[in-house]
Amino acid sequence: NAGVMQNPRHLVRRRGQEARLRCSPMKGHSHVYWYRQLPEEGLKFMVYLQKENIIDESGMPKERFSAEFPKEGPSILRIQQVVRGDSAAYFCASSPGASTEAFFGQGTRLTVV
Amino acid sequence: KQEVTQIPAALSVPEGENLVLNCSFTDSAIYNLQWFRQDPGKGLTSLLLIQSSQREQTSGRLNASLDKSSGRSTLYIAASQPGDSATYLCAVRGTNAGKSTFGDGTTLTVKP
Repeated sequence: NAGVMQNPRHLVRRRGQEARLRCSPMKGHSHVYWYRQLPEEGLKFMVYLQKENIIDESGMPKERFSAEFPKEGPSILRIQQVVRGDSAAYFCASSPGASTEAFFGQGTRLTVV
Repeated sequence: KQEVTQIPAALSVPEGENLVLNCSFTDSAIYNLQWFRQDPGKGLTSLLLIQSSQREQTSGRLNASLDKSSGRSTLYIAASQPGDSATYLCAVRGTNAGKSTFGDGTTLTVKP
């Protein structure tokens, strides 16, 4: 059973471009969480999704950011019109249920130039 | 709103010392608490997971304790080694939709 897979591992975007980050949860896991880690800071919760539903998006910026977890395929975190302040490591975690252990991916490091 | 604090922010010790990292949280309604290690520019490595009904967990030279009533956890590292140098993160998984709240971490340096 492969772990949580995130790709790409590193992503460079120019200001104004779109960034699409993908997360494939562990097999059998239907709960996905996205976190952002700004330089020299801890991880901050962004959004919690189950298949085809957003459960909690209280940590998502109101503009330019969106997330989905379709019935088939990986979860996608989409950032439109990126700015330098979006440069960070984005981590995804998955779990089989809300009260069970969550497993983290290795993260995607986004650099906006 | 859950808040997680880790003290100290940075710690430097000579090789061989035993040390304790501290984590405190404000809301005791949790499912579990997890300690992670993060090397610079890398992902998270899970070290120990303590369920809310447990008091401690051990793995090799690591021992983590949980006192839910006081909102505290400690990570004890025995006989520290230079390879232990990393940032250690504490994460509390709440009962509110299962998201985790992280502390800002303790950066440990073990000098040979």
